[in-house]
This record gives sequence, structure tokens and C-alpha cells, in this order.
Amino acid sequence: GQQVMQIPQYQHVQEGEDFTTYCNSSTTLSNIQWYKQRPGGHPVFLIQLVKSGEVKKQKRLTFQFGEAKKNSSLHITATQTTDVGTYFCAGWGYGNKLVFGAGTILRVKS
Amino acid sequence: DGGITQSPKYLFRKEGQNVTLSCEQNLNHDAMYWYRQDPGQGLRLIYYSQIVNDFQKGDIAEGYSVSREKKESFPLTVTSAQKNPTAFYLCASKGTGKWSYEQYFGPGTRLTVT
Repeated sequence: GQQVMQIPQYQHVQEGEDFTTYCNSSTTLSNIQWYKQRPGGHPVFLIQLVKSGEVKKQKRLTFQFGEAKKNSSLHITATQTTDVGTYFCAGWGYGNKLVFGAGTILRVKS
Repeated sequence: DGGITQSPKYLFRKEGQNVTLSCEQNLNHDAMYWYRQDPGQGLRLIYYSQIVNDFQKGDIAEGYSVSREKKESFPLTVTSAQKNPTAFYLCASKGTGKWSYEQYFGPGTRLTVT
């Protein structure tokens, strides 16, 4: 079945440093979504990318969708303590199911 | 105030007992989903429902059962057949219109079975 891999599993950065998480799918995706889960909370939708090579920005967050539509990345510029949490990518699979990556846990040291 | 509610937030049960987790939404969404999250892991799909009175197994349905008798409600029963039931359970819903692509998650229920 479809698999979505995410790296790194965990990253601990100093406040102000940049952070990037990468997502790779075993199959071509029609679109990819990103979610953020704060510690003790539930996942919250951040964005969806649809087009090959698409780049979208949300303030300090930059999302990219690969040309082959099999990979994606989320980059955070100048991390802040409010950025802590787990970032998940997810792609729609067969049967209208959203397949999630394992997530990248981000910790920010102030 | 629209959203998804899950109750209770924490649930404790003895091994061998069935337990039902509640999920209610007032977003008028057709599709609803149940996920399981274990520490350091992603979300794994247990069951999902695209419409009332219909549901499909996800990737880890063994030991679980669901019903979808009403659009607003999608309860999940964790049966005694589930070998490792202790986990964080998340319910989600999604509209089915052309521009409805994000899943909305409830606050989750943390189930501990001893």
C-alpha cells in the first residue's frame, strides 16, 4: 500500500535557527497536506499543495511540493518557541483515505 | 460554535472490558474518521465512514468496531480482542464538497487499559 515517510524523526534547535522536515511518498500524490500537533493537542491543518513544483508561504513557514509530486518539505525560518510540536505530512490514498507520515517532532531551546 | 467533540478526555479500563469512545460533530460533514496515535508515531487509520450507515476498515481495524447511525456521530468501540488498546484516539471529520479537503480533528481521548 501507499507509504509516506518523513525525516527527521526528531529535531532540537536553538531559537532563531531554521528547521526543515522532509516527506517522501512511495507513489505519486494528487496533493499533499501538512498538519501541526502541539504537545498534548490534536493535529491542525496547515496547508494543502496540489501542483507540481508548488511553493506556498505562511509567514515564516515555506512549503514545497516536488516536481514529481512524490516529495514535499516544510521549512521554518528563525524558529520561535511557539513552533514546537509535531509536524505531519499526509497524502490521499486509495479509497479516500489520508495516509500520514510518522511526523517530525520539533523542540526549540530558548 | 462548530467543531468536533470527543469524550471523555481520559479513560481508564480494566483488561477484558469493551469501551466505547464518543465522537460528535456539528460541522455537517459527511466523512468521519478514527485514528490511533502511539507515542512517537504517526496517525494510523482504524475505521472511516463516507456517509451515514456506511463505513470501511482502515489499516488497523482488528479489535475495533464502529457504527454510523447519525451524520453527527461516529462512536468507536475498543473490544477486548484489541491486544494493545492503550493509546491516544483521535476522531476527525471532513466535508465532501469540491473545496473541502482538510480534516478537522477532535481533542482526542487518551485510553489506558490495565
